[in-house]
Amino acid sequence: SQTIHQWPATLVQPVGSPLSLECTVEGTSNPNLYWYRQAAGRGLQLLFYSVGIGQISSEVPQNLSASRPQDRQFILSSKKLLLSDSGFYLCAWSSDRYQPQHFGDGTRLSIL
Amino acid sequence: AQTVTQSQPEMSVQEAETVTLSCTYDTSENNYYLFWYKQPPSRQMILVIRQEAYKQQNATENRFSVNFQKAAKSFSLKISDSQLGDTAMYFCASYSGGGADGLTFGKGTHLIIQP
Repeated sequence: SQTIHQWPATLVQPVGSPLSLECTVEGTSNPNLYWYRQAAGRGLQLLFYSVGIGQISSEVPQNLSASRPQDRQFILSSKKLLLSDSGFYLCAWSSDRYQPQHFGDGTRLSIL
Repeated sequence: AQTVTQSQPEMSVQEAETVTLSCTYDTSENNYYLFWYKQPPSRQMILVIRQEAYKQQNATENRFSVNFQKAAKSFSLKISDSQLGDTAMYFCASYSGGGADGLTFGKGTHLIIQP
């Protein structure tokens, strides 16, 4: 069966520090991968998606970037965090764009 | 652009009652997909049910069913015999394809099942 792992679960970072969140998927190959952000009391906002290694599409211009160095690895990064980057970040995968997305457990990011 | 609207920020019902959560969407695509996701306090996103727009039959998964009204662009979720474990945020989401991947989510409905 397929599983998705996302870490860390919780992260507290100072303003201006770098960020790296990692997501890996097991049990499938060539998945579509997604990064979402959920602000407090809000729905999910799509940040990035990838349909293959090195292929990244950005939905919202911002302080963040994403990379896909391996088929089942998706990384969310920032060189300098802003207060507005605080939130709950979720990674997801699907076998193709029409299939349901399956989510990781999320990372709660707090910026101080 | 797609939009998904959930007009009920919070709902509360007694255990064993039936509850319906509302969702409307807007898309210019002819073929699209609709989903309901559940997010319990653990914050894990769990797929509840999926509906393909070209299918006229409403999707059903055990106690969960949808009322899909394509002309009205309405996609409500009905939970029968509600249980305490159904307490969660419920998000309606759509995928329409076109130029962008990823789901468009509503803002969610906080459902509370009272004992």
